[in-house]
Amino acid sequence: DAGVTQSPTHLIKTRGQQVTLRCSPKSGHDTVSWYQQALGQGPQFIFQYYEEEERQRGNFPDRFSGHQFPNYSSELNVNALLLGDSALYLCASSSGAARNTEAFFGQGTRLTVV
Amino acid sequence: GDSVTQMEGPVTLSEEAFLTINCTYTATGYPSLFWYVQYPGEGLQLLLKATKADDKGSNKGFEATYRKETTSFHLEKGSVQVSDSAVYFCALTLPGRRALTFGSGTRLQVQP
Repeated sequence: DAGVTQSPTHLIKTRGQQVTLRCSPKSGHDTVSWYQQALGQGPQFIFQYYEEEERQRGNFPDRFSGHQFPNYSSELNVNALLLGDSALYLCASSSGAARNTEAFFGQGTRLTVV
Repeated sequence: GDSVTQMEGPVTLSEEAFLTINCTYTATGYPSLFWYVQYPGEGLQLLLKATKADDKGSNKGFEATYRKETTSFHLEKGSVQVSDSAVYFCALTLPGRRALTFGSGTRLQVQP
């Protein structure tokens, strides 16, 4: 079992550009959540996808959008990048949409905006 | 809103010392509580959890008890090892909610 896999592992983008991050959930999981972890901080919830729909969203602007595919994999898109978007982006997968009881995390994508 | 407060780090201990990392929470309702650990260069791993008051979660020698009266979930270990050096996050989620709310993390450094 490969667990939760994210790609790429590192990424450098220029302010104003757009970026797409990818996540494949753990085998048997159908729910994907995305978190932003700024340096020295705890992860902040961005949104969660289940059955290809966004089910809940944290306090993030519309520049952050996502998608879930029929195979349960997911993408996080960020438009009009700001320097403050530099962070570790974590994907977490779990089973079922009712509650986030045990989420398994990927190793993350380190995004640097210059 | 819901929040988690952890003691600030870094916490520096000698090998075989006793560890306590404090965690308190504020939540509307009855949350489930978690401790996650993040080793250098890795994602978060679930260490232990408790879903109702007075439950004790335990794993790999770590323990934490869900204390509703003090809204706390302190992490303890009787004898730490160098390999326990990592960042520890306390987190909560509410029934029917989809998001984990994390504390800011506590870095533990164990010296040989």
